Amino acid sequence: NAGVTQTPKFQVLKTGQSMTLQCAQDMNHEYMSWYRQDPGMGLRLIHYSVGAGITDQGEVPNGYNVSRSTTEDFPLRLLSAAPSQTSVYFCASKEGTGWEKLFFGSGTQLSVL
Amino acid sequence: SQQGEEDPQALSIQEGENATMNCSYKTSINNLQWYRQNSGRGLVHLILIRSNEREKHSGRLRVTLDTSKKSSSLLITASRAADTASYFCATGPSNTGKLIFGQGTTLQVKP
Repeated sequence: NAGVTQTPKFQVLKTGQSMTLQCAQDMNHEYMSWYRQDPGMGLRLIHYSVGAGITDQGEVPNGYNVSRSTTEDFPLRLLSAAPSQTSVYFCASKEGTGWEKLFFGSGTQLSVL
Repeated sequence: SQQGEEDPQALSIQEGENATMNCSYKTSINNLQWYRQNSGRGLVHLILIRSNEREKHSGRLRVTLDTSKKSSSLLITASRAADTASYFCATGPSNTGKLIFGQGTTLQVKP
């Protein structure tokens, strides 16, 4: 069982570059989300999706775009990377849109120089 | 602002001792969840307690919930070095399925 798969594991960008963090789940989960984790800040919700074609903003959405064209995939796009986006990014999914437990990927460590 | 706030931020104990972490939240909830994160890894779900429950056990874990005080505690009994990790509570507003995490408690268990 692969669960939630994130790629890449590490990435270094220059300010102004764009990139896409990939997230895929093989559990047929309706709900998918992206968090960023910074020291002393815990995890903060960036964007989430309750199903294919539906996305919504979390706590810190600025500078990030998402789309959900399939149930399995939920990519996170950085349009113009900034040093403030240096962080560890986690994708997570859960079965429904209620109060089920989240399954996390192993994270992407992103550095923006 | 974050929904859950953990206390203490860091905790260091000896193997065999009990560890208690607390979480406070702001709005009404449907349930509260606790997660563990080992260094460099993603979070793993530990236990979920519903708003109509006051206490729940899972192995060496005991979770309590006091909705009148908007707080929860996680107790790890007879701790082991392998329990060294960060622990997070997570909850969210009742009318959404979003989970908002606190800042976490970093637990170090010394052998």
